[in-house]
Amino acid sequence: KQEVTQIPAALSVPEGENLVLNCSFTDSAIYNLQWFRQDPGKGLTSLLLIQSSQREQTSGRLNASLDKSSGRSTLYIAASQPGDSATYLCALNFGNEKLTFGTGTRLTIIP
Amino acid sequence: DGGITQSPKYLFRKEGQNVTLSCEQNLNHDAMYWYRQDPGQGLRLIYYSQIVNDFQKGDIAEGYSVSREKKESFPLTVTSAQKNPTAFYLCASSMSGTGDGMNTEAFFGQGTRLTVV
Repeated sequence: KQEVTQIPAALSVPEGENLVLNCSFTDSAIYNLQWFRQDPGKGLTSLLLIQSSQREQTSGRLNASLDKSSGRSTLYIAASQPGDSATYLCALNFGNEKLTFGTGTRLTIIP
Repeated sequence: DGGITQSPKYLFRKEGQNVTLSCEQNLNHDAMYWYRQDPGQGLRLIYYSQIVNDFQKGDIAEGYSVSREKKESFPLTVTSAQKNPTAFYLCASSMSGTGDGMNTEAFFGQGTRLTVV
């Protein structure tokens, strides 16, 4: 079974700090991995997609890495802001025409 | 603006009633998906469609039905056979449903919250 784990389930950090969110998976035969953010009661917003042949992707203050051998992806957020407060979800494409989601990390940035 | 539109935002269903959730996209994407989100659980796939006039069951299709008569539209019907329909429903699309490239990047609508009353 392809399992995706995000630990911790919740995280609070002071504004301005750099932080790392984790995503672990048991099956390394992934096609790609996507990071999303979800605000309360809203849909998912795509942040970054990393293809299986890539090691990392960057967009502004966000940097996502992928290590298939260890079954791990990280989302690095630099200089955190209160507007970064949201739930962050990772989703893996195993080539079976769907995404397998983690349960997310709820991030709170403290002003 | 290109995107995915789900309606309504909130929907209330009486016991034994069928309801239909709308999903429209103007991204010219071939693939469309319906996911269900429950508290404390990851998103679970209900149905997906790779192309017009074709769709496949996902992991939790029982009690749901879909159609894909137009490329831009993928409505989801929650039937009376779905015993626990209260959830947040999310529609998504991607340029393609297969492969490992950027064309499988998924984009989501704003969701429909369905409540049984």
